[in-house]
Amino acid sequence: DAGVIQSPRHEVTEMGQEVTLRCKPISGHNSLFWYRQTMMRGLELLIYFNNNVPIDDSGMPEDRFSAKMPNASFSTLKIQPSEPRDSAVYFCASREGYTGELFFGEGSRLTVL
Amino acid sequence: LAKTTQPISMDSYEGQEVNITCSHNNIATNDYITWYQQFPSQGPRFIIQGYKTKVTNEVASLFIPADRKSSTLSLPRVSLSDTAVYYCLVRRGNQAGTALIFGKGTTLSVSS
Repeated sequence: DAGVIQSPRHEVTEMGQEVTLRCKPISGHNSLFWYRQTMMRGLELLIYFNNNVPIDDSGMPEDRFSAKMPNASFSTLKIQPSEPRDSAVYFCASREGYTGELFFGEGSRLTVL
Repeated sequence: LAKTTQPISMDSYEGQEVNITCSHNNIATNDYITWYQQFPSQGPRFIIQGYKTKVTNEVASLFIPADRKSSTLSLPRVSLSDTAVYYCLVRRGNQAGTALIFGKGTTLSVSS
């Protein structure tokens, strides 16, 4: 299995632009998580889905952030408009069932100038 | 979910055994203890999980006392490649709505 696949790996954009991060979970996994990591705040849970349904989005910073999971094999995290404080590494993770074992992607490093 | 507390950093030398202790005083009956490892520029990686007593795999051992208010991750004979951040998490077992919340973790530095 190829593991969790995220794209792009790196993105540099200017303030105000729309950013879309993509994630393909491991086939057969029914839960998907989006995390954001910065030096200051550590690893923060933004939102997670179970069977394509958002379960908890309380970690989403504000209305500029939105996430979708249209099917079991694809999810997007969108930031519109982007701001410099959104600069971070965004990780997607998936798991099978309700275990404690998450499989993380390699992350998308976002820089907003 | 129970809050976890672990040391911010630890130092060790190659070949030594490293024990990282995590406190989770408010752990509930249905909660499991899970540990992750994160190398620089990579996503966290699952190491080990347990409910009580001792669990061992090819990477580490996890010791959980009877009251389950703490747990200790034991890394035998560490090498330079074990330098990483180690996270202790408490998760509610077997529920669809179970989130995994990461704290600050323990930064382990292994020197030669």
